[in-house]
Amino acid sequence: QVQLQESGPGLVKPSETLSLTCTVSGYSISSGLYWGWIRQPPGKGLEWIGSIYYSGTTYYNPSLKSRVTISVDTSKNQFSLKLSSVTAADTAVYYCASDGRISWYYYWGQGALVTVSS
Amino acid sequence: EIVLTQSPGTLSLSPGERATLSCRASQSVSSSYLAWYQQKPGQAPRLLIYGASTRATGIPDRFSGSGSGTDFTLTISRLEPEDLAVYYCQQYGSSLTFGGGTKVEIK
Repeated sequence: QVQLQESGPGLVKPSETLSLTCTVSGYSISSGLYWGWIRQPPGKGLEWIGSIYYSGTTYYNPSLKSRVTISVDTSKNQFSLKLSSVTAADTAVYYCASDGRISWYYYWGQGALVTVSS
Repeated sequence: EIVLTQSPGTLSLSPGERATLSCRASQSVSSSYLAWYQQKPGQAPRLLIYGASTRATGIPDRFSGSGSGTDFTLTISRLEPEDLAVYYCQQYGSSLTFGGGTKVEIK
């Protein structure tokens, strides 16, 4: 059973880089699956940020692509999100998620609230 | 980018009633790439349906999905109190997008 847990700073200053890590348990990242990030501003809907295949191939939301980097660290069984030049509009609960297909997500983390504020 | 429009915004029904949720796409979506999620208050989304009509593991058979092209439907045949949630459709084409959600309230 794949289990996911997000971690990282809960507060980031405007113009800085948001960094989150998702720790995977119950499954080896290097064995396969797609690993993704989705966010949800408070009281609003879901927005896909991007995904990475275990081999390293990345897929990004075109609207965020210029600011997003998703990477995998197989030695730690983790994958990470970096979002640069953040503004208050990037305040959201950030979820990491996974599935064997890129087209949907079966496994989800519990979510991590990140607030962008000075 | 494919835009998904969900209706109604809110659905208020009594236990045992049938709920019909609509998801309309701005252009044709492959049925293979259409999914539905349930998000209860304070929780992460849960995958209900993938491939437009296949129930995910552990999902009760009162949940069913149908549709093709630009019109898709999630049906909850007999509402139960624990079905209180926001339901999202999602597609994957050249990118992945979610609909705005339908909130299901239980009277």
